[in-house]
Amino acid sequence: QQPVQSPQAVILREGEDAVINCSSSKALYSVHWYRQKHGEAPIFLMILLKGGEQKGHDKISASFNEKKQQSSLYLTASQLSYSGTYFCGTRRGFLMDSNYQLIWGAGTKLIIKP
Amino acid sequence: EAQVTQNPRYLITVTGKKLTVTCSQNMNHEYMSWYRQDPGLGLRQIYYSMNVEVTDKGDVPEGYKVSRKEKRNFPLILESPSPNQTSLYFCASSSTAAGEQYFGPGTRLTVT
Repeated sequence: QQPVQSPQAVILREGEDAVINCSSSKALYSVHWYRQKHGEAPIFLMILLKGGEQKGHDKISASFNEKKQQSSLYLTASQLSYSGTYFCGTRRGFLMDSNYQLIWGAGTKLIIKP
Repeated sequence: EAQVTQNPRYLITVTGKKLTVTCSQNMNHEYMSWYRQDPGLGLRQIYYSMNVEVTDKGDVPEGYKVSRKEKRNFPLILESPSPNQTSLYFCASSSTAAGEQYFGPGTRLTVT
């Protein structure tokens, strides 16, 4: 039931682009993206809802393909500050629905080198 | 400053000795959760609460208890800790059920 994130880890040079994928075997209602730096708490990036549009801010954006049950996070012209572990969380249903709970992927470690 | 606080940040204890990890938020959020984070497994929800006196089990509730007597506080209780509960624990809160979660700084627990 845990969504599968790929790749598990990626190393980039500053300025390069990265794509992180989050796939589920079940139909999804929403996908949540967070970034966690080593030793710190996860920080919210964005939420994508079923039927919603692609989202983004600054050079980080994401898409949600409901048919494929997959979301992708795009990091453009990566900066050193983008380093960390990226987690997706997926919800399959509405509040009070038995599938409401947020299930997290295992994370993708992103290392940006100067 | 809007924040979620957890105490203690680090705790080493022995098997069977009851402990409580406190969590408090100052954002008047209704929704609060406890997670544990283990290498390769990501975040797993232990318990969550949708309001005062309303709590429910998450993915891995065995061996844990929670209470929500006040809106701002959501303590996690381990009545008889075991070594397999050694982990990094996060408390989180959100204003809506499906919205952005604000995480506390984490509590690293070691049970020997």
